[in-house]
Amino acid sequence: QVQLQESGPGLVKPSDTLSLTCTVSGASISTYYWSWIRQPPGKGLEWIAYIYYSGTTKYNPSLKSRGTMSVDTSKNQFSLKLNSVTAADTAVYYCARGTPYGSGENFDYWGQGTLVTVSS
Amino acid sequence: EIVLTQSPATLSLSPGERATLSCRASQSVSSYLAWYQQKPGQAPRLLIYDASNRATGIPPRFSGSGSGTDFTLTISSLEPEDFAVYYCQQRSSWPLTFGPGTKVDIK
Repeated sequence: QVQLQESGPGLVKPSDTLSLTCTVSGASISTYYWSWIRQPPGKGLEWIAYIYYSGTTKYNPSLKSRGTMSVDTSKNQFSLKLNSVTAADTAVYYCARGTPYGSGENFDYWGQGTLVTVSS
Repeated sequence: EIVLTQSPATLSLSPGERATLSCRASQSVSSYLAWYQQKPGQAPRLLIYDASNRATGIPPRFSGSGSGTDFTLTISSLEPEDFAVYYCQQRSSWPLTFGPGTKVDIK
């Protein structure tokens, strides 16, 4: 049973760095692509970035180079850091597994999501 | 960036009825289109990938069709648990993008 669990602060101050970690169980992080996707309250979904265990990453240009993903194979975890946050970054953040076909650009397992609010 | 447009925004139907949801891409995505279902307070669930392939465990009442720029998700006979928001997503080019969603609610 594949499970993903997001963790991190629920409240971040404007201009600070948002840091989230996703812990994966039931699947090896060294086998798939792993993504972060966010959803502002009451709105739609936005893909943020993905990583492969080798370190290959892709980011959504909408982040304007503010995002960094990393992977820790020893802990079966991957992480997201988003710096210089504003209220526009307030959202539920999901971690997700990329499907086995292609380069993991669809998402078959998701975490439950964690709400991050940017506010002073 | 490929923009996905979904219609209608809301679809009001009764259980047992057929639901037809549309997703249109701003440029061709070939067959690289997926559909997800999201219920309140839950993460999205993958239903269909590559336009017409059902994901693991998805019942056959869900079907997808289309290619290029026009795609359709059909739910042949709505069950009570199918009332939710449905999103399309393309993987043809970066960045990956989602449509704004279609809400299927109970009439």
